Amino acid sequence: DVKVTQSSRYLVKRTGEKVFLECVQDMDHENMFWYRQDPGLGLRLIYFSYDVKMKEKGDIPEGYSVSREKKERFSLILESASTNQTSMYLCASIGLAGGGGSYNEQFFGPGTRLTVL
Amino acid sequence: GDSVTQMEGPVTLSEEAFLTINCTYTATGYPSLFWYVQYPGEGLQLLLKATKADDKGSNKGFEATYRKETTSFHLEKGSVQVSDSAVYFCALSRQAGTALIFGKGTTLSVSS
Repeated sequence: DVKVTQSSRYLVKRTGEKVFLECVQDMDHENMFWYRQDPGLGLRLIYFSYDVKMKEKGDIPEGYSVSREKKERFSLILESASTNQTSMYLCASIGLAGGGGSYNEQFFGPGTRLTVL
Repeated sequence: GDSVTQMEGPVTLSEEAFLTINCTYTATGYPSLFWYVQYPGEGLQLLLKATKADDKGSNKGFEATYRKETTSFHLEKGSVQVSDSAVYFCALSRQAGTALIFGKGTTLSVSS
């Protein structure tokens, strides 16, 4: 079974702190994603990565950065946490099955519920 | 840009009732369509998917058909159970391996 793990289920931080959210997948997937989930807004893409050391901005990258030094690990960094970053953060990964338009399932971690006070 | 619109909840049903959750999309080309489910306290799990027009995805009694003419992918189940209580997300992907675009989610609550 594919497993995507996130370093914390619950996290409480103070405004201005630097926050690291870690995500690890164990299936050698190429692509990894960070989403933010808020009630009434669904999931929104923060950043994604197609390969080690590669990153692309998603729809809401402001206030966030990412790091992918190893294929299995994708970190989300809040440089200076603010109260409006209180949210559920979900990491996901997907492998590429090859060509021909085939899609593999995007696997999600359990989420980290971050509260910024 | 691409988007997904799904009916707002919460949807409250009695056990064994019929379920429909509407989902429509806006996208260029031929996206793949997905339904994900999130049980309380958990991450998202893929429920079913369809990759081309007229495909029907099915799993655990749930079904959805990719209707290109109406740009829809409505989720249905003939007889819901209490254990189906969860948040359901409709999503699309334009290309293999790319990020998903999600609807806002529909909360389903089933009572016995």
